[in-house]
Amino acid sequence: DAKTTQPTSMDCAEGRAANLPCNHSTISGNEYVYWYRQIHSQGPQYIIHGLKNNETNEMASLIITEDRKSSTLILPHATLRDTAVYYCIAYNFNKFYFGSGTKLNVKP
Amino acid sequence: DAGVIQSPRHEVTEMGQEVTLRCKPISGHDYLFWYRQTMMRGLELLIYFNNNVPIDDSGMPEDRFSAKMPNASFSTLKIQPSEPRDSAVYFCASSPYGGGGTEAFFGQGTRLTVV
Repeated sequence: DAKTTQPTSMDCAEGRAANLPCNHSTISGNEYVYWYRQIHSQGPQYIIHGLKNNETNEMASLIITEDRKSSTLILPHATLRDTAVYYCIAYNFNKFYFGSGTKLNVKP
Repeated sequence: DAGVIQSPRHEVTEMGQEVTLRCKPISGHDYLFWYRQTMMRGLELLIYFNNNVPIDDSGMPEDRFSAKMPNASFSTLKIQPSEPRDSAVYFCASSPYGGGGTEAFFGQGTRLTVV
């Protein structure tokens, strides 16, 4: 399974877009890019996933580079409730491997 | 649907005791996963089932840990005997099918403290 690399932490001002990067340079052609987040000690929450194309849902947008070696999760208008640890996962063969994630701090 | 339900939410036990964690997956989901989360190691996949059959238990730390899924609506993770280093939050998750196009839904976890 491909390994992902994320910054340890990021800050974002409330109301602004939060752009969370992820490197997955060894991702294989059939591995999806998934994003989850974990708020405090709750169970991880699904955000979005994609294979090759950019994706958007009610929570976020996912931008995947053409070579698929990196991606960016975009929260268009961050709120204080978006403060959480965000995990980028290269997923295949039914196993989600969580790395260390990025702690996003949304500040007023 | 009420989502993935785990019980108990909190468990405190003494070293050497047997501990059983329980999980009810979302109805209709074919896959069930057990994870453990600690500060030191983050979220680790312990084992997962497909249609009640254990598929990959390579993440189970040692023989003291065992997991069963007697039917599609219930799974247990047992630790016998428990040790202080087993203290962690244990999450159960389920997904409707395998492959790369589906999401896993997580329960709220069981916080285990072994003293």
